[in-house]
Amino acid sequence: NAGVTQTPKFRVLKTGQSMTLLCAQDMNHEYMYWYRQDPGMGLRLIHYSVGEGTTAKGEVPDGYNVSRLKKQNFLLGLESAAPSQTSVYFCASSYSGGGIQETQYFGPGTRLLVL
Amino acid sequence: GDSVTQMEGPVTLSEEAFLTINCTYTATGYPSLFWYVQYPGEGLQLLLKATKADDKGSNKGFEATYRKETTSFHLEKGSVQVSDSAVYFCALHTGGFKTIFGAGTRLFVKA
Repeated sequence: NAGVTQTPKFRVLKTGQSMTLLCAQDMNHEYMYWYRQDPGMGLRLIHYSVGEGTTAKGEVPDGYNVSRLKKQNFLLGLESAAPSQTSVYFCASSYSGGGIQETQYFGPGTRLLVL
Repeated sequence: GDSVTQMEGPVTLSEEAFLTINCTYTATGYPSLFWYVQYPGEGLQLLLKATKADDKGSNKGFEATYRKETTSFHLEKGSVQVSDSAVYFCALHTGGFKTIFGAGTRLFVKA
């Protein structure tokens, strides 16, 4: 049981390049989330998904797109990277998402540097 | 809107010292409250949680009590260890799809 895994662990991009971050979970969770973590700002929700084939915008969605074609995978895409997207990206999942007691399970993070 | 405020770090303590990390919240409903911990190079993991007023969450010697009257959920540990060095996040969840995280407090424990 690997939990939540993220690929890659670290990436350097040039401004304007594109990339996709992959998140996979093996806990059969319905809900998945993408966050970015910046110094002094905690975690901010980018996009989330409440089930296979569905996605929704979070707090800071601009410049990102997501897809949830399979229940276990949640992809985060950057079409044209900008230096402001330099951050650490965390994927998380939870069983139902709507329950008030819900615990989120996090991946180890992807560190992205945009030059 | 809902929000979480936690004390700024870093907090530096000697081993076996007493730890308090303050967390206060603003919420319109009746949230569940969480403390997550992030060890160096890793993702966040749940440390403890409390789902209603006066509940006490506890784990690994850490504890926090859900205080509705003061809208607080302070994290405490009686005797910290070097291995407790990490970033601690207070968070609240009101039943929607969004968990609100505080900015995080970095703890350094010296041997």
